[in-house]
Amino acid sequence: KNEVEQSPQNLTAQEGEFITINCSYSVGISALHWLQQHPGGGIVSLFMLSSGKKKHGRLIATINIQEKHSSLHITASHPRDSAVYICAVSGSLLADGLTFGKGTHLIIQP
Amino acid sequence: NAGVTQTPKFRILKIGQSMTLQCTQDMNHNYMYWYRQDPGMGLKLIYYSVGAGITDKGEVPNGYNVSRSTTEDFPLRLELAAPSQTSVYFCASSYSATDRGNEKLFFGSGTQLSVL
Repeated sequence: KNEVEQSPQNLTAQEGEFITINCSYSVGISALHWLQQHPGGGIVSLFMLSSGKKKHGRLIATINIQEKHSSLHITASHPRDSAVYICAVSGSLLADGLTFGKGTHLIIQP
Repeated sequence: NAGVTQTPKFRILKIGQSMTLQCTQDMNHNYMYWYRQDPGMGLKLIYYSVGAGITDKGEVPNGYNVSRSTTEDFPLRLELAAPSQTSVYFCASSYSATDRGNEKLFFGSGTQLSVL
């Protein structure tokens, strides 16, 4: 079973800072998801990656398949980016579902 | 678009009671999932379905049952509630398997369940 580790667990930064959240996994995967969980509890899918890099607005996600590592970057961070960011990986069997990391709790202070 | 609608948002059960968590999606998605999220832990898959009439167990299915009579609905049943089932439950859906193409997951708003 895949082990998904996220770092840091908690991150507090000032508005405008460049944010990096890391995700590493132990077994080869078919895809990796980045999710955002709002303070109210709702979960939104940000990216799905199987290789390379994706960008959406101020969010950038990268994946290095050989190193079993992915990063989520936030440029020009804003207090509304405060949330829990969750990494999840897909294995080769649907029955295994996604294996989720425990999340990174990000607080952006004004 | 309503997306994935999950009810109720909150519920308190007594040990041994039963309840059904409702989940409906209006995106014509084939794949639907139930996850539970415990404090400090990653989400874990309870059951999933790849289409109407087809369901299968995930990582933590004990104490739960599901059915999928239509594409839209995927209810989760707790037959004999136990304190270990205190958790936040999320229903999710996707058009195809989550390891294909650019497939994203769409989540319901969650159900906070306490079993006392």
